[in-house]
Amino acid sequence: KAGVTQTPRYLIKTRGQQVTLSCSPISGHRSVSWYQQTPGQGLQFLFEYFSETQRNKGNFPGRFSGRQFSNSRSEMNVSTLELGDSALYLCASSPDRGRNEKLFFGSGTQLSVL
Amino acid sequence: GENVEQHPSTLSVQEGDSAVIKCTYSDSASNYFPWYKQELGKRPQLIIDIRSNVGEKKDQRIAVTLNKTAKHFSLHITETQPEDSAVYFCAAKPGNTPLVFGKGTRLSVIA
Repeated sequence: KAGVTQTPRYLIKTRGQQVTLSCSPISGHRSVSWYQQTPGQGLQFLFEYFSETQRNKGNFPGRFSGRQFSNSRSEMNVSTLELGDSALYLCASSPDRGRNEKLFFGSGTQLSVL
Repeated sequence: GENVEQHPSTLSVQEGDSAVIKCTYSDSASNYFPWYKQELGKRPQLIIDIRSNVGEKKDQRIAVTLNKTAKHFSLHITETQPEDSAVYFCAAKPGNTPLVFGKGTRLSVIA
């Protein structure tokens, strides 16, 4: 099976712009989670989806949004980018029917905001 | 909400020695505790996990122990090898809420 695929791999944007990141989970996985990774801060939870429904949302401003499609693919959007949004955005899928315990991560999208 | 503290933030060991990374959690409802390994420039990967009804779990050179009373769990790596060099993340999961990760430990194994 192909792993979790995230596109694009790298992204450079300027302050005030918006960005959309894409994630294709492992085939058959219906749970998708998003995490933000910054040096020294570990992985901060953004969103969690199961069967197109957002089950949980992390403590991020409303500029961060996401969705999941009927084929389990997911996107996240960040509007009005700020310098502090520069980070590695990781998507993970899970096979365990919504419990989201065992996470299979993608390689991430490295976002740089200038 | 759940808070996970991880120590140390960096750890250097000689090849062949053991390495221990410790995590504490705050929410007594947490019942699932995984450990992830992230090599430089790569994705985090699950290496071992433990549930709250188990005190210890081993998989070859790695083991995890859990003390529910003290709310802490540890990762033990024996006979370390250079390929063990990576950042290790612990996490805790209280019920149906998402995994909460520690901030990571950068392990360097010196040959």
